[in-house]
Amino acid sequence: GIQVEQSPPDLILQEGANSTLRCNFSDSVNNLQWFHQNPWGQLINLFYIPSGTKQNGRLSATTVATERYSLLYISSSQTTDSGVYFCAVFKSTFGDGTTLTVKP
Amino acid sequence: NAGVMQNPRHLVRRRGQEARLRCSPMKGHSHVYWYRQLPEEGLKFMVYLQKENIIDESGMPKERFSAEFPKEGPSILRIQQVVRGDSAAYFCASSQLPEETQYFGPGTRLLVL
Repeated sequence: GIQVEQSPPDLILQEGANSTLRCNFSDSVNNLQWFHQNPWGQLINLFYIPSGTKQNGRLSATTVATERYSLLYISSSQTTDSGVYFCAVFKSTFGDGTTLTVKP
Repeated sequence: NAGVMQNPRHLVRRRGQEARLRCSPMKGHSHVYWYRQLPEEGLKFMVYLQKENIIDESGMPKERFSAEFPKEGPSILRIQQVVRGDSAAYFCASSQLPEETQYFGPGTRLLVL
């Protein structure tokens, strides 16, 4: 099956810093999603982004399907951004996630 | 517009008992997915269902686990004769179309004593 790799596995930031999370996948996909799991375990859908670029506030994502990767950008990070960020491709294969800790 | 609902939110069972987890998808969604998340790990796909059909159960353990999504009512994930290794958070998600955005429920935390 398709493999999904995320990097870095862990990331510690000072509040206000920017960051880039990466998701590589082993085969062509026609959908890709980014999720945030907050420290209470809740999973929030951030982007459905099979290709192209989308932005939502301080977050944006870019998927280059031909090169089999996607990037999630977080600007001006806040402590509430802490948690685990997953990318997932159909059929429902999740990466192992990037654990982000934003310190005040 | 209610989101994906799961109940119970927490479930405690003794070894050998049965666990039934329920998932009501978002209104208008006919595709349901179940995932398991072991402590400190990522999400692992278990099964994908449409109304009255199992589309993909490649992630389901071969024994003791079953899932259904009847024409009426919620989707049910059933675990028979639970063991301690079944302790995990079980999430369901729903989507309107098979390859579109999945929306997650709050999860059911199963603890097997």
